[in-house]
Amino acid sequence: GQQVMQIPQYQHVQEGEDFTTYCNSSTTLSNIQWYKQRPGGHPVFLIQLVKSGEVKKQKRLTFQFGEAKKNSSLHITATQTTDVGTYFCAGLNQAGTALIFGKGTTLSVSS
Amino acid sequence: NAGVTQTPKFRVLKTGQSMTLLCAQDMNHEYMYWYRQDPGMGLRLIHYSVGEGTTAKGEVPDGYNVSRLKKQNFLLGLESAAPSQTSVYFCASSYWPANQETQYFGPGTRLLVL
Repeated sequence: GQQVMQIPQYQHVQEGEDFTTYCNSSTTLSNIQWYKQRPGGHPVFLIQLVKSGEVKKQKRLTFQFGEAKKNSSLHITATQTTDVGTYFCAGLNQAGTALIFGKGTTLSVSS
Repeated sequence: NAGVTQTPKFRVLKTGQSMTLLCAQDMNHEYMYWYRQDPGMGLRLIHYSVGEGTTAKGEVPDGYNVSRLKKQNFLLGLESAAPSQTSVYFCASSYWPANQETQYFGPGTRLLVL
């Protein structure tokens, strides 16, 4: 069946270091969404990428959508303690009616 | 505007007991979803609804039933709870299909089945 995979599962960095999480789909995606979940909280939408090769930035966060629309990445520059949480990517299921989430990458940051 | 709310926030059940989780949204969204979240497993879709009176199965539907009698409410039922259903349950909603629109999540329901 359709799968959305994320690596790494966990990442610990020192404050100020960069961080990247990667998302790969077994099928071509119409678009991809990224969500952030703080510890004890619920997922919150970050961004949606639609076009092949698209790059979007939100302050220190850079999101990329692969040329083949089967992979994506989230890069955080100079991490801060406020970046702590789990980052999920999500792609549309084959029926086109619901999102399939990756297992997420949990980021911890020490100061 | 409360967004997406879930009731209850926390519940402890014994094996074999039944319960219903309630999700309510006040954003007039057509689409509603139920997910479960387990450590290391991410968010897995249980059931979803594309409109009032409709429901469909997601990735992990076994042991759960749902109903969408009113547009603003989406109920998740466990007829005979099992320890494997211990999880955090999230409801979400969106106006258009998930590929066109942000999903808004509720705060979650923590369920422990003993």
